[in-house]
Amino acid sequence: AQSVTQLDSQVPVFEEAPVELRCNYSSSVSVYLFWYVQYPNQGLQLLLKYLSGSTLVKGINGFEAEFNKSQTSFHLRKPSVHISDTAEYFCAVSEISGGYNKLIFGAGTRLAVHP
Amino acid sequence: DTGVSQDPRHKITKRGQNVTFRCDPISEHNRLYWYRQTLGQGPEFLTYFQNEAQLEKSRLLSDRFSAERPKGSFSTLEIQRTEQGDSAMYLCASSLKTDTQYFGPGTRLTVL
Repeated sequence: AQSVTQLDSQVPVFEEAPVELRCNYSSSVSVYLFWYVQYPNQGLQLLLKYLSGSTLVKGINGFEAEFNKSQTSFHLRKPSVHISDTAEYFCAVSEISGGYNKLIFGAGTRLAVHP
Repeated sequence: DTGVSQDPRHKITKRGQNVTFRCDPISEHNRLYWYRQTLGQGPEFLTYFQNEAQLEKSRLLSDRFSAERPKGSFSTLEIQRTEQGDSAMYLCASSLKTDTQYFGPGTRLTVL
């Protein structure tokens, strides 16, 4: 069965500092990988996704992530964070099979950016 | 593209009452998903529709829960005889292909 582990439940960081949010997954088949962001009392917004091709994926708001198949990881990075990046971040995986995909989410990482 | 919409955004009910939530997907999307998110956790898959056909239901979806998608457009999720453990955010998502799901703002249910 698939599973997703987000290694840090909370990440505090100062404004303009770099940040990395870690995500590891477990699956016996090929997968698609996603990062979503959730602001308070809102739904999820897609940051970026890996489907195939280049292992370095660039997303919105200056975020990027690198797919590492050997380490089964998909860590999210941003070189310089802003106060507005404070939110909950979710890593998700779906299997490549059938005609649809259900997402399996990690428990989330709360990013707190301090001035 | 107006995005996925959900109604109501908040619902407070008493234990034992029935509640119904609505989701309107992005208009051309034929795939629709329901997820449940409890406090401090990531969303968990509940059920999936392709057009009007419900193709998968999670074990989380007890017999008190029922979902429909008549005519393959909007979807409803009904919870009968609500319990305090049903308190959560209920999220709807839609997609056109098998990759990207777009989420609505969610319906927050509080069962007293």
